[in-house]
Amino acid sequence: QVQLVQSGAEVKKPGASVKVSCKASGYTFTDYYLHWVRQAPGQGLEWMGWLNPNSGATNLAQSFRGRVTLTRDTSITTAYMELSGLTSDDTALYFCARDTSGYEYYFRNWGQGTLVTVSS
Amino acid sequence: DIVMTQSPDSLAVSLGERATINCKSSQSLLYSSNNKNYLTWYQQKPGQPPKLLIYWASTRDFGVPDRFSASGSGTDFTLTISSLQAEDVAVYYCQQHYSIPPTFGGGTKVEI
Repeated sequence: QVQLVQSGAEVKKPGASVKVSCKASGYTFTDYYLHWVRQAPGQGLEWMGWLNPNSGATNLAQSFRGRVTLTRDTSITTAYMELSGLTSDDTALYFCARDTSGYEYYFRNWGQGTLVTVSS
Repeated sequence: DIVMTQSPDSLAVSLGERATINCKSSQSLLYSSNNKNYLTWYQQKPGQPPKLLIYWASTRDFGVPDRFSASGSGTDFTLTISSLQAEDVAVYYCQQHYSIPPTFGGGTKVEI
């Protein structure tokens, strides 16, 4: 079955960077876009961007351009989301989610989430 | 960006009663070439990722109980839980994927 397993919680200081991993299994890694969605405490869901694991191409939401880098290592079927210039506003639960059908932009399979806390 | 507005923000429903959640988009989500509404509903319980309930505005995902139904077209959509069960306590989100970036409603918290 499709599984997305994310790395553990992180605590970072303002101005630092964080890199979250998402290990995929149960399907052909390069066949489906992987998206990143974040959720601030007690808040709603915000789409951050997608990664095409086949080509490495990415597309980011405007608000994250210049601060987010999406990469992958196909040899270990793992995707990464790196967020730089952290502020307290970046404290959130970060999810990876597999596109349902190629690149339809809705999501049946989600990682368990990685809590990133930004605190001095 | 398309703005998704859900109402109400929260609602309390007795066990076995009906719950209705509304979602309105700032522009039509109906793609004329395939007559599909690019609208999805998710359920999220505390400490869990969202779970896909409904896609294409009205198609239940695999294993979703038939007490969950959804309807609507264009800009106005509804999710209905026909007979609320204790396990349905959650926050429900609508999401449009008609245009990029995909955007979510603010969520509706369903309580007993």
